[in-house]
Amino acid sequence: KQEVTQIPAALSVPEGENLVLNCSFTDSAIYNLQWFRQDPGKGLTSLLLIQSSQREQTSGRLNASLDKSSGRSTLYIAASQPGDSATYLCAAPSGSARQLTFGSGTQLTVLP
Amino acid sequence: DGGITQSPKYLFRKEGQNVTLSCEQNLNHDAMYWYRQDPGQGLRLIYYSQIVNDFQKGDIAEGYSVSREKKESFPLTVTSAQKNPTAFYLCASSRVQGLDQPQHFGDGTRLSIL
Repeated sequence: KQEVTQIPAALSVPEGENLVLNCSFTDSAIYNLQWFRQDPGKGLTSLLLIQSSQREQTSGRLNASLDKSSGRSTLYIAASQPGDSATYLCAAPSGSARQLTFGSGTQLTVLP
Repeated sequence: DGGITQSPKYLFRKEGQNVTLSCEQNLNHDAMYWYRQDPGQGLRLIYYSQIVNDFQKGDIAEGYSVSREKKESFPLTVTSAQKNPTAFYLCASSRVQGLDQPQHFGDGTRLSIL
């Protein structure tokens, strides 16, 4: 069964800093991995979906990478802003069950 | 604007009562999902539906029921058999049944016990 882990659980950085969020998964036989953002009391917003055939996916200041062999994905945020403060979750498919397994998220605070 | 609407935003349940959470989407998506989120945890799948009149149990289906009579609607009933229903419930949809499509989420319903 797929297990997804995100470390650290919380991160606080000053504005303007570049940062990396980590996601690891146990079943490397995945065909994609998805990163989401969740604001307090809100639903999830899809940020990036990386197919297994890709190694990176970029959207604005966000860059996500996927390394299936090591069971890891990273979300790189460049020039962080206070508006980036939110919880970031990654999710990977659970094999034949065709379900998404979510990590517990990293709560990011960008200090002005 | 296309999207997913969940209602109500807040819901309170009395002991022994069944309550129904509404989820409506106008994205013309085939697949719909219900998740439960507890504080500090990721999302856990309750039920999902790949097509009208069909649905499958997720990891934590006990104490919950769903129906999919229309493509745009996927209501979730929290029954009295669910002994710990206090949580944040999220509904999602995706264009087709495959997991290579991104899931789009509603803004959630927060359920509490009176």
